[in-house]
Amino acid sequence: AQSVTQLDSQVPVFEEAPVELRCNYSSSVSVYLFWYVQYPNQGLQLLLKYLSGSTLVKGINGFEAEFNKSQTSFHLRKPSVHISDTAEYFCAVSAPIQAGTALIFGKGTTLSVSS
Amino acid sequence: DAGVIQSPRHEVTEMGQEVTLRCKPISGHDYLFWYRQTMMRGLELLIYFNNNVPIDDSGMPEDRFSAKMPNASFSTLKIQPSEPRDSAVYFCASSLTGAIYEQYFGPGTRLTVT
Repeated sequence: AQSVTQLDSQVPVFEEAPVELRCNYSSSVSVYLFWYVQYPNQGLQLLLKYLSGSTLVKGINGFEAEFNKSQTSFHLRKPSVHISDTAEYFCAVSAPIQAGTALIFGKGTTLSVSS
Repeated sequence: DAGVIQSPRHEVTEMGQEVTLRCKPISGHDYLFWYRQTMMRGLELLIYFNNNVPIDDSGMPEDRFSAKMPNASFSTLKIQPSEPRDSAVYFCASSLTGAIYEQYFGPGTRLTVT
């Protein structure tokens, strides 16, 4: 079975500062990894995904994440955040070789950007 | 495209009443997922369908919960009888075969059971 741990429940940061949201996963098989974002009172939206290939993946709104297999991590980063990035961010994992599995989400990290 | 549509957006009901949540997936998507989000438990998968057939309902909390997908454009999640601990935001999401993990979420239904 797979699991996801988001190490920080809340991350406050000032506008234009860099940010890193941490995600670790556990799995005995190869995985796909995802970050989703949820803006207030909205559903989740896919931010970026890692399926295979380059370990550095770029997503929408200037976010990127790096897959580190040895550390079983998939941390999300942005070099300069905006007020509009304030949202909840979810890391998710899935095991493609296990038929019938779906996404397993972490508990989420609330990113609060202030001026 | 209108995206995933859920109704109602808000539902307030009394304990013991039946609640029906509705979802219209994106046209052409053949996977449909129901999730529940609470502060305590985060985002939990309740059940998902492929081509209108339930594939995994292991997340459905108990027999009070049931879900149906009578056709490719409509699904319901029913709670009968409802209890205060069912209060949560319920999301529906859909995706395509070949991109099952790229799920498109609806805006959610906020359920409050008093």
